[in-house]
Amino acid sequence: AQTVTQSQPEMSVQEAETVTLSCTYDTSESDYYLFWYKQPPSRQMILVIRQEAYKQQNATENRFSVNFQKAAKSFSLKISDSQLGDAAMYFCAYRSARRDDKIIFGKGTRLHILP
Amino acid sequence: SAVISQKPSRDICQRGTSLTIQCQVDSQVTMMFWYRQQPGQSLTLIATANQGSEATYESGFVIDKFPISRPNLTFSTLTVSNMSPEDSSIYLCSVEDATGGAFFGQGTRLTVV
Repeated sequence: AQTVTQSQPEMSVQEAETVTLSCTYDTSESDYYLFWYKQPPSRQMILVIRQEAYKQQNATENRFSVNFQKAAKSFSLKISDSQLGDAAMYFCAYRSARRDDKIIFGKGTRLHILP
Repeated sequence: SAVISQKPSRDICQRGTSLTIQCQVDSQVTMMFWYRQQPGQSLTLIATANQGSEATYESGFVIDKFPISRPNLTFSTLTVSNMSPEDSSIYLCSVEDATGGAFFGQGTRLTVV
């Protein structure tokens, strides 16, 4: 069975600094998707960034980028120039490319931004 | 990305009663998903709602407790029945795009007293 592990329950970063959130996963599939979701206190889950496993190039969305290491099954999120609005729970998630499979979420990392 | 409207955003309910949560999507989708997020926890899939067929429930969730309706391709409801304090959670509906990315409603924070 697929699993997603986030080993950092909480992290803090100074405003304007860079922070990296860790995620590892386990799967026997070769084709899958990986995601990072943000959940601020407002509760709504927001898709931050996604990575297709067949793509070697790391995904980037503005200040958010990932370090995807397929062989190591590692998928970390880097947030550059941290802002107060980045404070939230961040969930790493995995989904097989097989039709009708479900998304597997990690337990989350709570990120605090220090002014 | 789809826009999903979910209501109510929050409610406080008496134990033994039921609450129906509504989810409206701005485009037609084949599948809609209902999740539960217990306090301080990650998301757990309750069921997948397909239009025109019975919902598919995950292990640990049953139709009698969480009946789901899916009358058309843009709307679904989840009912939390015979509530107890253990049902206090955030409930979220979502849809997925072609690459499996999920988009969520605002969530419903349910407190059972």
